[in-house]
Amino acid sequence: DVQMTQSPSSLSASVGDRVTITCRASQSVSNYVNWYQQKLGKAPKLLIYTASNLRSGVPSRFSASGSGTHFTLTISGLQPEDFATYFCQQSYHTPSYTFGQGTKVEIK
Amino acid sequence: QVHLQESGPGLVKPSQTLSLTCTVSGDSISNIDYYWSWIRQPPGKGLEWVGYIYYTGDAYYSPSLESRVSISLDTSRNQFSLELTSATAADTAVYFCARVVTWRREADSWGQGTLVTVSS
Repeated sequence: DVQMTQSPSSLSASVGDRVTITCRASQSVSNYVNWYQQKLGKAPKLLIYTASNLRSGVPSRFSASGSGTHFTLTISGLQPEDFATYFCQQSYHTPSYTFGQGTKVEIK
Repeated sequence: QVHLQESGPGLVKPSQTLSLTCTVSGDSISNIDYYWSWIRQPPGKGLEWVGYIYYTGDAYYSPSLESRVSISLDTSRNQFSLELTSATAADTAVYFCARVVTWRREADSWGQGTLVTVSS
């Protein structure tokens, strides 16, 4: 399986901060990386697809970029509802579309 | 708007088969634009891709689970199902079903998840 390594595994930030999460793939996954947000006890929600495309209805403070093996998710102006765990996922190498281990964003 | 709902036993004994069903409403599992997938999450841990199935019935599985897992379709009921044989405590997890866009391959809709505990 392709390994997806997220960093950091957790971070503390304040409302209004700019936050960046990194995801590195063990081999090239082209631009087939998706980002999800998961709140405690809930199913993940899709934020970003194919590396940089914002899903309809997702606030524009979320952005992402990358290709090949290096990807980033940025939240510009953290809001109280953004405190959650974020996962990257590669969907290039079938049959296992592997996820990163997650980054928990906590309130400072 | 599509809605997915997992159902099945919440408790499975070790060595038995874990069986779950996902009922889809608001879309057809025969829709050629989507795969139908299972993803699991052990308590307090990250997400693990289990596998997916296409409307043709072709199914694809995570290599780590391939020897024990099977995903099938029931088009008459608009459902798809997961079977995981020889369950162990390591299979204890919240199991999510999800819809995956075929050409971009993102999971755009998820069920709420169901906790399955493997224990005697």
